[in-house]
Amino acid sequence: QKEVEQDPGPLSVPEGAIVSLNCTYSNSAFQYFMWYRQYSRKGPELLMYTYSSGNKEDGRFTAQVDKSSKYISLFIRDSQPSDSATYLCAPRGNTDKLIFGTGTRLQVFP
Amino acid sequence: GAVVSQHPSWVICKSGTSVKIECRSLDFQATTMFWYRQFPKQSLMLMATSNEGSKATYEQGVEKDKFLINHASLTLSTLTVTSAHPEDSSFYICSARDRLGGGQTYEQYFGPGTRLTVT
Repeated sequence: QKEVEQDPGPLSVPEGAIVSLNCTYSNSAFQYFMWYRQYSRKGPELLMYTYSSGNKEDGRFTAQVDKSSKYISLFIRDSQPSDSATYLCAPRGNTDKLIFGTGTRLQVFP
Repeated sequence: GAVVSQHPSWVICKSGTSVKIECRSLDFQATTMFWYRQFPKQSLMLMATSNEGSKATYEQGVEKDKFLINHASLTLSTLTVTSAHPEDSSFYICSARDRLGGGQTYEQYFGPGTRLTVT
């Protein structure tokens, strides 16, 4: 079993839709939960992170962590074509090591 | 914001030759840099963690004699793929941790990646 599982997609939605991106993980030691966005042929950029369980909102983006079920979510409201990218979840424990999911490819069409 | 550059952005080399990839933190000092490899439609896999002035720590299954890492200064780390073979063709990405990040909340800043093709 992989430490982090993520549906690779692609997920195709119309502009303005609410997008839900999800990951599951198996390591209960994970405490920090990052979401990265990666455009084609580029390095990942950090979107947001949460610590432990709970929600965090930043503009159109909301990150949610449920440690009891080991489930991580990223919601994008009012999705835009510019949001089209691959979204990677990457939890970690108290070390530097990030464990990346395979990424979900999102396509937002006008 | 913090910027990490990589050079070259893409390289094609013949099987058996060596290739060096540079990773630079442009506007901050990075005591720790990370090297990842990403195959098509797969996740980033950490290859090694590089600390300035000391030997790199390699992940299980990564050959340290094949992937030589040098972190000689606070702004530069290099990855040399020695005796490259077609199966080494991949997207290599570095990241750098801001030295001033401190504590438990910090960010790894990623470079744009280097696409290596071995023919």
